[in-house]
Amino acid sequence: GIQVEQSPPDLILQEGANSTLRCNFSDSVNNLQWFHQNPWGQLINLFYIPSGTKQNGRLSATTVATERYSLLYISSSQTTDSGVYFCAVVSGSEKLVFGKGTKLTVNP
Amino acid sequence: GAVVSQHPSWVICKSGTSVKIECRSLDFQATTMFWYRQFPKQSLMLMATSNEGSKATYEQGVEKDKFLINHASLTLSTLTVTSAHPEDSSFYICSARDYWGGVGYGYTFGSGTRLTVV
Repeated sequence: GIQVEQSPPDLILQEGANSTLRCNFSDSVNNLQWFHQNPWGQLINLFYIPSGTKQNGRLSATTVATERYSLLYISSSQTTDSGVYFCAVVSGSEKLVFGKGTKLTVNP
Repeated sequence: GAVVSQHPSWVICKSGTSVKIECRSLDFQATTMFWYRQFPKQSLMLMATSNEGSKATYEQGVEKDKFLINHASLTLSTLTVTSAHPEDSSFYICSARDYWGGVGYGYTFGSGTRLTVV
């Protein structure tokens, strides 16, 4: 099956800093979503982005489907951005496959 | 947008008893729902695909007799952990697939259920 790799596994920032999270996948995808899992476990959909670039406030994402990677940009980070960021893809079936996540800690 | 409701949020049960977890799509019909399990500090692992009106499809290694899935309507799927044991303690999350207009099929998640078996 498809492999999804996220980097870095852990990231510690000071409030106000910018960051880039990366997701590599091993095959072509029909769907790619970025999620934020908050400390209570809720998965919040950030972007549906199988290709192209999207922006939502301080967050933006870019997927280069031909090179099989996606990037999530967080600008002017806030403590509420802390949590785990997951990249998940669908390839050839309806199953959503998750990467191992990037744990982000934003310190005040 | 699409909303998925999952109950209960947490449950503690005695070893040997069964626990039912409900997953509802509130503002859309979901012919397909998914159940995931997440261990502490790990990613989500797909357990099974729940199809309305038919049997669930389980991933390799998941015991279908222990994790009973029922998808009796277009808005409700249930996961029953039968004869629960401490090793079944985990965070269980459901998801529903929905067509998001012109962009394609997107996935929305419930808030999860933290199961502790004592």
